[in-house]
Amino acid sequence: GNSVTQMEGPVTLSEEAFLTINCTYTATGYPSLFWYVQYPGEGLQLLLKATKADDKGSNKGFEATYRKETTSFHLEKGSVQVSDSAVYFCALTRPAGNMLTFGGGTRLMVKP
Amino acid sequence: NAGVTQTPKFRVLKTGQSMTLLCAQDMNHEYMYWYRQDPGMGLRLIHYSVGEGTTAKGEVPDGYNVSRLKKQNFLLGLESAAPSQTSVYFCASSYGAQGNEQFFGPGTRLTVL
Repeated sequence: GNSVTQMEGPVTLSEEAFLTINCTYTATGYPSLFWYVQYPGEGLQLLLKATKADDKGSNKGFEATYRKETTSFHLEKGSVQVSDSAVYFCALTRPAGNMLTFGGGTRLMVKP
Repeated sequence: NAGVTQTPKFRVLKTGQSMTLLCAQDMNHEYMYWYRQDPGMGLRLIHYSVGEGTTAKGEVPDGYNVSRLKKQNFLLGLESAAPSQTSVYFCASSYGAQGNEQFFGPGTRLTVL
């Protein structure tokens, strides 16, 4: 079946540090890959996505590249801000539909 | 546009009670979904709908029922609540095809005593 594995948190960084959150997946066919972000007390928001191999999704300084050879979609940002503190979820949709399979989430805490 | 809205925001039930969670979207989306979020487990799909009048089971459907009588509404019902159903419930909607963004509501925090 389909599954998503992401690094456990919390991840604590100082402002302006480099961020990497690892995400690997198992899926049949060619899934679409997503990163969603959840700010405290809110629902999830799409951060970025990639729909085919070697695509790079980017938004708000965050980037992730769809690596089919390593089945990975790691999230990166060159310089984090306090306002980036949130829970980040890696997810995929299988080719036959649009149902999301989520990883367990990674909490990011950025200190001033 | 309000996007995806959910009512209520919070609810406390006793074991065995029933309740219905309401989800509404004003984006004319075909697909709608109900998820539950538990600590360390991400979100898991309970039920979903690919159009008005249709419903289907997701990953964790037991103990829940759903209805999609109108395109804009998707109801989640608990007939006899159990403590294991204590969770945060999120509704989402999308246009439907693979790769399309799902838009999430703000969530309902349910506690079953």
